Amino acid sequence: AQSVAQPEDQVNVAEGNPLTVKCTYSVSGNPYLFWYVQYPNRGLQFLLKYITGDNLVKGSYGFEAEFNKSQTSFHLKKPSALVSDSALYFCAVRFFSGGYNKLIFGAGTRLAVHP
Amino acid sequence: DGGITQSPKYLFRKEGQNVTLSCEQNLNHDAMYWYRQDPGQGLRLIYYSQIVNDFQKGDIAEGYSVSREKKESFPLTVTSAQKNPTAFYLCASSIGRDPLEQYFGPGTRLTVT
Repeated sequence: AQSVAQPEDQVNVAEGNPLTVKCTYSVSGNPYLFWYVQYPNRGLQFLLKYITGDNLVKGSYGFEAEFNKSQTSFHLKKPSALVSDSALYFCAVRFFSGGYNKLIFGAGTRLAVHP
Repeated sequence: DGGITQSPKYLFRKEGQNVTLSCEQNLNHDAMYWYRQDPGQGLRLIYYSQIVNDFQKGDIAEGYSVSREKKESFPLTVTSAQKNPTAFYLCASSIGRDPLEQYFGPGTRLTVT
């Protein structure tokens, strides 16, 4: 069965330190993977996606994600965290069902960056 | 929020009443989606539509209904049959029928008492 897991409910990081938000997935075939960010009481914003090619994907706001096929992971990273990065982050995977492509979202990880 | 508008931002209803949530996009996107967000559960797909006059049930369609009479509009009705309707509802769209990058509206928070 297709699934996405975000094992941490919350990640706490000091401003200026590197951050990692973890995501693992289970899907048939080659995975299409995504990261979205949600600020309080707002919709989600697209950060980046992996479809094929280089395992390190660069996205918006200085974020990047590393695809690891053997570990079925797609962790979100940023070299130096900002307080403004504090938000809810969702990992998602595309899968094919009922004749259509759809997304499954993880439960979300809340990132708190402290000054 | 990418050219997608949802109204109202907050909605309060009494139990047993149907309520319709609006979603409009001016991005000329083919596909539109409705998700429900509950704390700690991520987003769950309610309905989606890839073309006008066509839509499919998602994972939690029971108690909900939609229409897609125009490309730019995809309203969601929460009926009295929905057992636990209080939630944050998000509408999204994507350029093509493949959800490679979805654009989300600001959401509607529905409270039913």
